[in-house]
Amino acid sequence: EIVMTQSPATLSVSPGERATLSCRASQNVDTRLAWYQQKRGQPPRLLIYDASTRATGIPARFSGSGSGTEFTLTISSPQSEDFVVYYCQQYKHWPPMYTFGQGTKLEIK
Amino acid sequence: EEQLAESGGDLVQPGGSLRLSCDASGNTFRSYWMAWVRQAPEKGLEWVATINVDGSEKFYVGSVKGRFTISRDRAKNSLYLQMDSLRAEDTAMYYCARENRANFDIWGQGTVVTVSS
Repeated sequence: EIVMTQSPATLSVSPGERATLSCRASQNVDTRLAWYQQKRGQPPRLLIYDASTRATGIPARFSGSGSGTEFTLTISSPQSEDFVVYYCQQYKHWPPMYTFGQGTKLEIK
Repeated sequence: EEQLAESGGDLVQPGGSLRLSCDASGNTFRSYWMAWVRQAPEKGLEWVATINVDGSEKFYVGSVKGRFTISRDRAKNSLYLQMDSLRAEDTAMYYCARENRANFDIWGQGTVVTVSS
């Protein structure tokens, strides 16, 4: 099983200050990585796939980077609605054995 | 607009069974792999099972193998999860999701399963 580790568990930033969330894979996943946003009481929403491609309708302030085992989700200027929880997910493993990180909560400083 | 709607969640005793359904609106779901993902209370996301387009290939997380069965009815545009031998640790919100190149791009609102005596 590929273990995904997100850091930090909670990230405190001021509105408008750049937020950088990290995700590490226990083995190489190439760029087979997605990021999701989840607001309380709602299902997750796909933000980024293939490590750096924004999903349909996702604002340009969200960007993803990385490959192999180290990945980053950057929110260039977080808006109030962005202070929620974010998950990474790998989809390298075949046959399918998808795994998620434990999540990073972005909170207002 | 493509949408997914889960149903079937309930309170069930340990060892019991439950069948979840996911109804898809829109015509594209027949052409996609589909999945179930769950989230225990105040916990993270866990992939549970995946089924391919024609239902001939099914994949499960280790903790549910032999207990859960994923299936689909393409004519009805529906996805199912038969859950047997339920345990307390299966308590969660269960989401169905469309797989698009192995990531989950459309999600339902979820249905709650509680396993407790």
